[in-house]
Amino acid sequence: QVQLVQSGAEVKKPGASVRVSCKASGYRFTSYYIHWIRQARGQGLEWMGIIDPSGPTTVYAQRFQDRVTMTMDTSTGTVYMDLRSLRSDDTAIYYCVRWLTAVTQTGFDTWGQGTLVTVSS
Amino acid sequence: EIVMTQSPDTLSVSPRERVTLSCRAGQSVSNNLAWYQQKPGQVPRLLLFGASSRATGVPVRFSGSGSGTDFTLTINNLQSEDFAVYFCQQYNAWPYTFGQGTNLEI
Repeated sequence: QVQLVQSGAEVKKPGASVRVSCKASGYRFTSYYIHWIRQARGQGLEWMGIIDPSGPTTVYAQRFQDRVTMTMDTSTGTVYMDLRSLRSDDTAIYYCVRWLTAVTQTGFDTWGQGTLVTVSS
Repeated sequence: EIVMTQSPDTLSVSPRERVTLSCRAGQSVSNNLAWYQQKPGQVPRLLLFGASSRATGVPVRFSGSGSGTDFTLTINNLQSEDFAVYFCQQYNAWPYTFGQGTNLEI
């Protein structure tokens, strides 16, 4: 079945960087965009950016433009999200999510299990 | 970016009731609007897309309407499993944006 499996929880100090991985399976990797969305505890959903695995092309939200990089490894079907210069307000669950566009269904149809990134001194 | 505003923030209801949740876009998003349900400790689940089309496996008690800037999600005959947070999301333009969520509670 279609699955996105993310790397485990991370604890980082302010100013450090974090890499979260997202391994796709059960579908053709290059056919669907992967988005990164984060959610602070008890808060809403914040879109960070997108990578088109067929490109690869990336688009980042303006507020993360200078701190985030999204890359991929087609050979393993894995997408990576690097976030630099971490601050305490970056503490959140980070999700990779597949975007499906089809006549029968359009939207974020498959979510990774989430990766908790905690930024604390 | 397109700001999405949901109302109310919290809605207290009872099982078997009918509820309507609202979502307003800061500018027209045509019908490129999706709704998601999120239960505690779970990832969001796609409910509706195209403002009114149900995703696979979504019960018929969930319905949506609207276009342009104003949208609604209606849940008929509320079931216990429907108590959750609901988010709207526009996909008409980058960056994709979400509403802040409506918490449906007993």
